[in-house]
Amino acid sequence: GDSVTQMEGPVTLSEEAFLTINCTYTATGYPSLFWYVQYPGEGLQLLLKATKADDKGSNKGFEATYRKETTSFHLEKGSVQVSDSAVYFCALRLPSNDYKLSFGAGTTVTVRA
Amino acid sequence: SAVISQKPSRDICQRGTSLTIQCQVDSQVTMMFWYRQQPGQSLTLIATANQGSEATYESGFVIDKFPISRPNLTFSTLTVSNMSPEDSSIYLCSVPDPSSYEQYFGPGTRLTVT
Repeated sequence: GDSVTQMEGPVTLSEEAFLTINCTYTATGYPSLFWYVQYPGEGLQLLLKATKADDKGSNKGFEATYRKETTSFHLEKGSVQVSDSAVYFCALRLPSNDYKLSFGAGTTVTVRA
Repeated sequence: SAVISQKPSRDICQRGTSLTIQCQVDSQVTMMFWYRQQPGQSLTLIATANQGSEATYESGFVIDKFPISRPNLTFSTLTVSNMSPEDSSIYLCSVPDPSSYEQYFGPGTRLTVT
């Protein structure tokens, strides 16, 4: 079945450091890919998405490119801030799957001033 | 976008009791989902709440343990029955937006079973 494998955390960085969180997937068909973020004490919210190969999703300085050849959707940000401290979830959805999402394990990121 | 509210936001319950969680959406939606997020873990889909028909449960989840109601297109409830400490989790409802592929999540209900 479809699944998402996400880089384990926790990850601790200094402000202005470069962040990468690896995400690879296994799926039959052509999934849509997502990164969701959960800030401390808040609900889950969509960070960015890509719906087909070579699409690049971007938001709030974060980027991720849908790489079909490597079945990956790695999240990157060039210069993190303390406010980026959160749990990040990679997720996929198959078009045939009634919009249900399969999530990775989540990566906790802490950015220190 | 959809705005989703959940009640209660948190609760502490004794083992063997049941808790009903409410999910209200500010617009009519065909599908609603219920997820569970156990401590330190990812989200797992419990079931799809269908209006006018029985909920569809994922593998490992059964109706007797997690009965779901969907009386209309803006509201759903999830009951966690005969609770044990292993049921301590955050329970979230969500709704999809078919046009944008986005899925909107409620703020969650944090349940602690003692």
